[in-house]
Amino acid sequence: QSVLTQPPSVSGAPGQRVTISCTGSSSNIGAGYVVHWYQQFPGTAPKLLIYEDNNRPSGVPDRFSGSKSGTSASLAITGLQVEDEADYYCQSYDINLSEVFGTGTKVTVL
Amino acid sequence: QITLKESGPTLVKPTQTLTLTCTFSGFSLSTSGVGVGWIRQPPGKAPEWLSLIYWTDDKRYSPSLKSRLTITKDTSKNQVVLTMTNMGPVDRATYYCAHRRGYSSSGVFDYWGQGTLVTVSP
Repeated sequence: QSVLTQPPSVSGAPGQRVTISCTGSSSNIGAGYVVHWYQQFPGTAPKLLIYEDNNRPSGVPDRFSGSKSGTSASLAITGLQVEDEADYYCQSYDINLSEVFGTGTKVTVL
Repeated sequence: QITLKESGPTLVKPTQTLTLTCTFSGFSLSTSGVGVGWIRQPPGKAPEWLSLIYWTDDKRYSPSLKSRLTITKDTSKNQVVLTMTNMGPVDRATYYCAHRRGYSSSGVFDYWGQGTLVTVSP
């Protein structure tokens, strides 16, 4: 049972913008700990998508962006593409629980 | 190029101890700022962090599983071993090892192994 809550699913048409929220508390995101985001396709390992709130590793398209405010963080996908259909997880640090992952969000491209 | 691969039994019996080995290449666990972590993911669920070991041999464990976990490293073999005692059906999951960049709460798992599915059954 994660302390980082994400919507179970979001959907959008190709070309649209979608956002995924990651809601935490004062013991994790709200305490200033950074947030990372991972993308996971069925049957494969999670892949780092955004690190330290808003940085993209080399090779990640710039249509993916991250932000953080207060006790929440968000991942935005602008110009949604069919190949973006996957599960997305946020990850941060919690004072009491150490490393924590979000509940996960399935992105569906309509 | 950083790669990691998990190995170990795919089936264990209840109450047994699980031993998983992560064999990696492309980095050294004697390099400052580097660590290797273990994360598991039950089918259809979110990942759950288990343990971390750093180049200093500093070890971290999930508070909820701390009593069951032991992590060690063999720098010369480029391996990290995780043991989990008293396995039960709820421990069925894909177990991943991952390269950890950064020695702090802001560190990130930037490279992951392919994972190995472990089932617990008599």
